[in-house]
Amino acid sequence: TQLLEQSPQFLSIQEGENLTVYCNSSSVFSSLQWYRQEPGEGPVLLVTVVTGGEVKKLKRLTFQFGDARKDSSLHITAAQPGDTGLYLCAGTKAQGGSEKLVFGKGTKLTVNP
Amino acid sequence: DAGVTQSPTHLIKTRGQHVTLRCSPISGHKSVSWYQQVLGQGPQFIFQYYEKEERGRGNFPDRFSARQFPNYSSELNVNALLLGDSALYLCASMGKSSYEQYFGPGTRLTVT
Repeated sequence: TQLLEQSPQFLSIQEGENLTVYCNSSSVFSSLQWYRQEPGEGPVLLVTVVTGGEVKKLKRLTFQFGDARKDSSLHITAAQPGDTGLYLCAGTKAQGGSEKLVFGKGTKLTVNP
Repeated sequence: DAGVTQSPTHLIKTRGQHVTLRCSPISGHKSVSWYQQVLGQGPQFIFQYYEKEERGRGNFPDRFSARQFPNYSSELNVNALLLGDSALYLCASMGKSSYEQYFGPGTRLTVT
C-alpha cells in the first residue's frame, strides 16, 4: 500500500506553461518535503512544510500543505526546460525512536523548449 | 562545505555475493539514513542511525545490515545478493531537525 499518492505520474508540457503536482495521503504527517531528482543523482531538497495550511514560495515554485496535514501540492509558474526532473514528495513518519521519510512514487516532469 | 558523499558510485555484483556501501554525512550531522530506490519508484527507508545506534529499520530482510562509526560515517552491507537488490542506494544526512534530510548522489548497484 502506497502511503503517499502522487499525481500525475508523468507530465510533458511546453516552456512557459503552468502546472500543478499533487501529493495525497490518508495519513497525517508531522512535516512534508518536496525533492527534485535528476537521473543518476540523489534527491535535492526543495522545501519543507510543517504547519497545516502553510504556503511557501521558491521563485516560480509554490508549495502548499493541506489544512489536515495529509496532502500537498506543488505549482510551477512559467515552466522552463531546467525544471525537468522527477519531483518527489515525502512525509515524515514516526517509527519507534526514529522519524523516517515515506516517499511517493514521484512525478516525472518534462518541459519542452 | 562538502555535502553527503557516497562510495562507490557504481557497482556490479553477481547473485550470492555481498556488498558494502559507504556514506559520509555532512560535517556536524550525527544521523544517517539509508534508502533503496528501485527504477520508477520513490526511495524506500532501510535504516536510520543516530550516534552509532540504530534508531529505525524499514521492511527489509536480515540480509541488510548497517553500522555507524564514531566519525558518523556509515556502511550498508547486503549479503547473499539477489537480482531484485539492483537499485540506487541513497544515504541521507540529517541536521538538527529530523525532517531536514540531505541526500548523497547514491550508489548504483547492479546484480547480475
